[in-house]
Amino acid sequence: SQKIEQNSEALNIQEGKTATLTCNYTNYSPAYLQWYRQDPGRGPVFLLLIRENEKEKRKERLKVTFDTTLKQSLFHITASQPADSATYLCALFTGGGNKLTFGTGTQLKVEL
Amino acid sequence: KAGVTQTPRYLIKTRGQQVTLSCSPISGHRSVSWYQQTPGQGLQFLFEYFSETQRNKGNFPGRFSGRQFSNSRSEMNVSTLELGDSALYLCASSLLQGSTDTQYFGPGTRLTVL
Repeated sequence: SQKIEQNSEALNIQEGKTATLTCNYTNYSPAYLQWYRQDPGRGPVFLLLIRENEKEKRKERLKVTFDTTLKQSLFHITASQPADSATYLCALFTGGGNKLTFGTGTQLKVEL
Repeated sequence: KAGVTQTPRYLIKTRGQQVTLSCSPISGHRSVSWYQQTPGQGLQFLFEYFSETQRNKGNFPGRFSGRQFSNSRSEMNVSTLELGDSALYLCASSLLQGSTDTQYFGPGTRLTVL
């Protein structure tokens, strides 16, 4: 069956450290992968999109890698801050148009 | 530019009733998608509308339906509500219909079925 799994339900790290979140997928061959942030009681907010022919993409303190051989994407937040605490979701386009299939999400907590 | 708006924000219904949720996309956006989010199943795709036509449908029973109007506003309807329909229903809009388009999510409607 098709699955998108993200590492552990919660990740606690210290302020200033780099957070690394994992997204693994099976039985998909996506051309694009997206990462979203979701705060409690709010809708997801788009962060980054990476294409299959891009190994790495950066935006400010965020970095995403995409390994289509391993079927894995890594999401890094450098110099993490308490304000980065949220749930992070990876998502793949799995149908025509805008049908997104989301991963299970990783809750990140950055502690002082 | 105003973001995606959803009404109502909170709703309490009883089993067997039906409910209609509304979504107003960002001005100019023609694609509207609906998702259901629950603690157990996460975010699951319900359906997508583009220019008043349903383009994609997820694996949900026929009790879940939707439509889109000429001004791109969308509604989704759930009939014969079940306890398991309690969830956060999210609407997302995008400018076009393509896999690189950014989707903008609304705040969601929290539905509780008693």
